[in-house]
Amino acid sequence: GDSVTQMEGPVTLSEEAFLTINCTYTATGYPSLFWYVQYPGEGLQLLLKATKADDKGSNKGFEATYRKETTSFHLEKGSVQVSDSAVYFCALSGGFSGGYNKLIFGAGTRLAVHP
Amino acid sequence: EPEVTQTPSHQVTQMGQEVILRCVPISNHLYFYWYRQILGQKVEFLVSFYNNEISEKSEIFDDQFSVERPDGSNFTLKIRSTKLEDSAMYFCASSETGRGATDTQYFGPGTRLTVL
Repeated sequence: GDSVTQMEGPVTLSEEAFLTINCTYTATGYPSLFWYVQYPGEGLQLLLKATKADDKGSNKGFEATYRKETTSFHLEKGSVQVSDSAVYFCALSGGFSGGYNKLIFGAGTRLAVHP
Repeated sequence: EPEVTQTPSHQVTQMGQEVILRCVPISNHLYFYWYRQILGQKVEFLVSFYNNEISEKSEIFDDQFSVERPDGSNFTLKIRSTKLEDSAMYFCASSETGRGATDTQYFGPGTRLTVL
């Protein structure tokens, strides 16, 4: 069935460092891809999404490009801040075996940014 | 900004007891979901609900689980006889439409269920 694999954390960075969190997926059909973020004590918030190959999702300085040839959707940010410290989840929806509107999540990657 | 709310934030129960987790979805949303996250594991889909019936459920969602929209605002998840392995964070989500992959699901803060 459909699945999502994320790099294991925690990822620890200094403020203003470059961030990459890797995400690859397995899916039949044409899934949409998402990044959700969970700040301490809060629920999951949609960070960005891309609905077709070569689309780039972006929000709050974060970007991810839907790469069908490498089945990847890596999250990047050029300069992280302490306030970006959170758990980041990659997810997909809409692959043929993944169900039309349920989300399939990766394991999550914890990011800790130090001043 | 509208948000999904969940109560309680933490529920402790004895094995074999029934629990009801409550959610208030965003008011104009039509699709509702439950997910769970066992500590240290992935967020897993449990069930989706539309027009007062289940539209999809996972293999986790067995006869011990049920969902209901008892009134115009609440959406509940009931576990009939809790097991130790039901201990997890339970997330409710809602979306405006069920237009599949292109719709956005908004999540609540979660209810942490601890079964002793």
